Amino acid sequence: AQSVAQPEDQVNVAEGNPLTVKCTYSVSGNPYLFWYVQYPNRGLQFLLKYITGDNLVKGSYGFEAEFNKSQTSFHLKKPSALVSDSALYFCAVRDMRYSGTYKYIFGTGTRLKVLA
Amino acid sequence: DVKVTQSSRYLVKRTGEKVFLECVQDMDHENMFWYRQDPGLGLRLIYFSYDVKMKEKGDIPEGYSVSREKKERFSLILESASTNQTSMYLCASLNGATGLTTDTQYFGPGTRLTVL
Repeated sequence: AQSVAQPEDQVNVAEGNPLTVKCTYSVSGNPYLFWYVQYPNRGLQFLLKYITGDNLVKGSYGFEAEFNKSQTSFHLKKPSALVSDSALYFCAVRDMRYSGTYKYIFGTGTRLKVLA
Repeated sequence: DVKVTQSSRYLVKRTGEKVFLECVQDMDHENMFWYRQDPGLGLRLIYFSYDVKMKEKGDIPEGYSVSREKKERFSLILESASTNQTSMYLCASLNGATGLTTDTQYFGPGTRLTVL
C-alpha cells in the first residue's frame, strides 16, 4: 500500500537549536516526496521535494530534507530553528499507481513549536 | 505567483442544505484538487480533476460531487450537508502539462465549513 507516516504529532525545540521533523514512506517504485508547511489560518505552502538526484534536498526558509532509501525516510531538518518556524508540517508522497495522473498521499501532520 | 482563491474563508450551514465551495486558480493549470483537513487525519483527497469536465474520485468521495466547467474553476458540492462534513476544505492546483510539471501543488487559503 502507498502510504506516508509522520510519527510525531508535535515537536518542541528551543530557538537556535537544530530541528528534525520525521517522515517515513511506503511506495512501490521510486518515490516522489514532498514537504509542505501550513502557517495559522493559511493554506499549505510548498517547502521542498525529492524526485531524483542528490539525497539532500534544500528548500525554502533554510529547510532541507534527507532522502534515505534504506530506511524509507525523508526527514525535514533545519540547523537553527526560529520562532517563526512554528507551524504545521505535512509530508506527502505521489501515488505512482496512477500513471499519468497526479495524486498525492499526505501524512497526518506534525506541529512544530519553537520556544523562545 | 500562482494564486488559488476560495470563495469563502468561513461558512456555516444547516444539516440537509446543499453547499457549494468554489475554487479559482489563475495559472492555467490542468490539475485541480479538493481535500479536507481534519486534526489527526491530515489531508484527505475528496476529488481531483485533470482537465475541463474530467474528474476522478479521491479517497473519500462519499457525500460530495464536483464540477469543472471551466479550466480555472473547480467546485465542490455537498449534496446534503451533514454534521460529519464539518471540516477545513482546501483546494489546490498543479501544472500537469507534459514537460512542464513541477509536481508542486499550490493551495488556496481554505474554507472552514461548520454544519449545524
